[in-house]
Amino acid sequence: EAQVTQNPRYLITVTGKKLTVTCSQNMNHEYMSWYRQDPGLGLRQIYYSMNVEVTDKGDVPEGYKVSRKEKRNFPLILESPSPNQTSLYFCASSLSWDRNQPQHFGDGTRLSIL
Amino acid sequence: GESVGLHLPTLSVQEGDNSIINCAYSNSASDYFIWYKQESGKGPQFIIDIRSNMDKRQGQRVTVLLNKTVKHLSLQIAATQPGDSAVYFCAENSDTGRRALTFGSGTRLQVQP
Repeated sequence: EAQVTQNPRYLITVTGKKLTVTCSQNMNHEYMSWYRQDPGLGLRQIYYSMNVEVTDKGDVPEGYKVSRKEKRNFPLILESPSPNQTSLYFCASSLSWDRNQPQHFGDGTRLSIL
Repeated sequence: GESVGLHLPTLSVQEGDNSIINCAYSNSASDYFIWYKQESGKGPQFIIDIRSNMDKRQGQRVTVLLNKTVKHLSLQIAATQPGDSAVYFCAENSDTGRRALTFGSGTRLQVQP
C-alpha cells in the first residue's frame, strides 16, 4: 500500500531533550516536506526536499533540522525542543514538485514539549 | 500578502443533500489547486486537483470549479454522506519559487442524519 509513515504518532517530552520524528514513503517520490499544524494558523511548511541531499527552508524553519540521505526517508530533528514547538506535525511527499503533483500526507505526529 | 482563504468556517448539511465549499485565492499566478479532506486524528487526504487551464474537473461524487476571473474555487460534494464529515482545505501552488503549498484555514463540514 502506498503510504507516508511517521513515527512516533505521539510524544511527550521535556525542553532541551533532542528528538527525531521519522518519515518514510514507499512511492519513490522525489519531493518531501514537513508541515506543522496549529489552531488558527493552519498548515505551515517547516522544511522541504526536492530530492536526495537537496533540502531548503520553508516558512517556519527555526529550531528544526532535516536530512535527506535516502530518497524514502526525511527525518525531522529538534535539537533542543522548546514549548513553542508543541504542535501537530505532518510529513508529505509528491512525485515531483515541478510536475504539479498532489502531496500525500502521513497521519501526523503530535508533539508536546513540557 | 498572498493567501488562500475560505468563506465559512463551518457548513452543516443534511445527509443526501449536495454540499458546496468555497475558497478564494489572491495570487493571480496560482496555477494548481488541490482540495484535501482531514478527518479527526488523520492527515490531510487528497480529494481532487485542478490546473489553471481548466474550469471544471469531476471525480467520484466531487466536482471542483475554478473561476480565475474572480479568483475563486469551489468543491461540490454530491449526495453528502455522514462519512464526508471532516475539515476541508483548499491549497494552492503559486509557482513563485517558494516550493510549498499554501493552505486555507479550512471549512468544517457537518452532515446531519
